[in-house]
Amino acid sequence: GAGVSQSPSNKVTEKGKDVELRCDPISGHTALYWYRQSLGQGLEFLIYFQGNSAPDKSGLPSDRFSAERTGGSVSTLTIQRTQQEDSAVYLCASSKETDSYEQYFGPGTRLTVT
Amino acid sequence: GDSVTQMEGPVTLSEEAFLTINCTYTATGYPSLFWYVQYPGEGLQLLLKATKADDKGSNKGFEATYRKETTSFHLEKGSVQVSDSAVYFCALRPRGYSTLTFGKGTMLLVSP
Repeated sequence: GAGVSQSPSNKVTEKGKDVELRCDPISGHTALYWYRQSLGQGLEFLIYFQGNSAPDKSGLPSDRFSAERTGGSVSTLTIQRTQQEDSAVYLCASSKETDSYEQYFGPGTRLTVT
Repeated sequence: GDSVTQMEGPVTLSEEAFLTINCTYTATGYPSLFWYVQYPGEGLQLLLKATKADDKGSNKGFEATYRKETTSFHLEKGSVQVSDSAVYFCALRPRGYSTLTFGKGTMLLVSP
């Protein structure tokens, strides 16, 4: 079946602009995660959604970052007033449940802030 | 807080050589441990996992053993292939939690 999909695959934006990154999880997966992969920092957790529970936002680096998940499926990560240090690959993952289930990763969105 | 430390790369080997990529962790309790692989141009894929001490995860000829006494989860393969060239990430998930904490990744380059 279809895996996790993300769009766009690449995004170039000017400093100060807002961007939206989209994630379509695997159908039936209740948990959805956003991570960021940047040079020198490795992979960092950003935010996690599980069903209808309040999201775990503990990894968001600043209040410029926000995310929502509509209808328990598609998620959008929004970065406002982008900065050059936001340049990274943003990865989305989903899993059936939170514990003991494998996280399946999407191909990522490469964001470049100029 | 929890953390994962893995050896810096790149690791450069010839085909059929023995591979070890070291991974150690710091965590409270007994986390689950994972190795993920990222092939060029592709997304992260789970390679293997271990959920308790002394468990051995294995897949595609790769192995790693959960060593509680040394807080380690080293990745090994007896004979690497060119197709194993990729970036390998060690990760942990604390018990009762959902999110993964990753190491910085180790690039493996295998030449014919």
